[in-house]
Amino acid sequence: AQSVTQLGSHVSVSEGALVLLRCNYSSSVPPYLFWYVQYPNQGLQLLLKYTSAATLVKGINGFEAEFKKSETSFHLTKPSAHMSDAAEYFCAVSEMDSSYKLIFGSGTRLLVRP
Amino acid sequence: NAGVTQTPKFRILKIGQSMTLQCTQDMNHNYMYWYRQDPGMGLKLIYYSVGAGITDKGEVPNGYNVSRSTTEDFPLRLELAAPSQTSVYFCASSYSGPENTEAFFGQGTRLTVV
Repeated sequence: AQSVTQLGSHVSVSEGALVLLRCNYSSSVPPYLFWYVQYPNQGLQLLLKYTSAATLVKGINGFEAEFKKSETSFHLTKPSAHMSDAAEYFCAVSEMDSSYKLIFGSGTRLLVRP
Repeated sequence: NAGVTQTPKFRILKIGQSMTLQCTQDMNHNYMYWYRQDPGMGLKLIYYSVGAGITDKGEVPNGYNVSRSTTEDFPLRLELAAPSQTSVYFCASSYSGPENTEAFFGQGTRLTVV
């Protein structure tokens, strides 16, 4: 079965600093991977997805993620944090059966200090 | 341009009461999902449906029931509410699996059982 591990339940950065949120996956087949963002009292919004095309995936709001098969990782980065990036971020992997259900990590809350 | 709509947004139930969480989507998506979100736990799949008339259990189905009589609607039923069902519930939909399209999430229903 697929699984996702997000290292660090909370990450704090200064405004303008690099954002790095870590995600490792476990999958017996080439995975489909996703990053979602959740702002307070909101639903989840897709940031970006990897579906076996380019290993470096660009998403919305300046975020990108790199798929590294050798490290089973799909870390999310942004060169310069903005106050509006403060939110909870979820990494997810798609179950590779007919359900395509998403298996989520436990989430990382990003705090941005002025 | 409604997307996925969940009602109600908030609800307080007494132990043993029942209720139905409504979910409707206007994107003609085949796949629909119900997740619950608990602090620090990510999202756990309760039930899912791959089309009208077809439903299946997810990771945490106990205490819940679903039906899918139309493509648009996927209600979640709680028969005998318990404090352990206090959570935020999200409905999501996707067209044909994530390799072609993203999963769209509703805004959530915050349920408290007292």
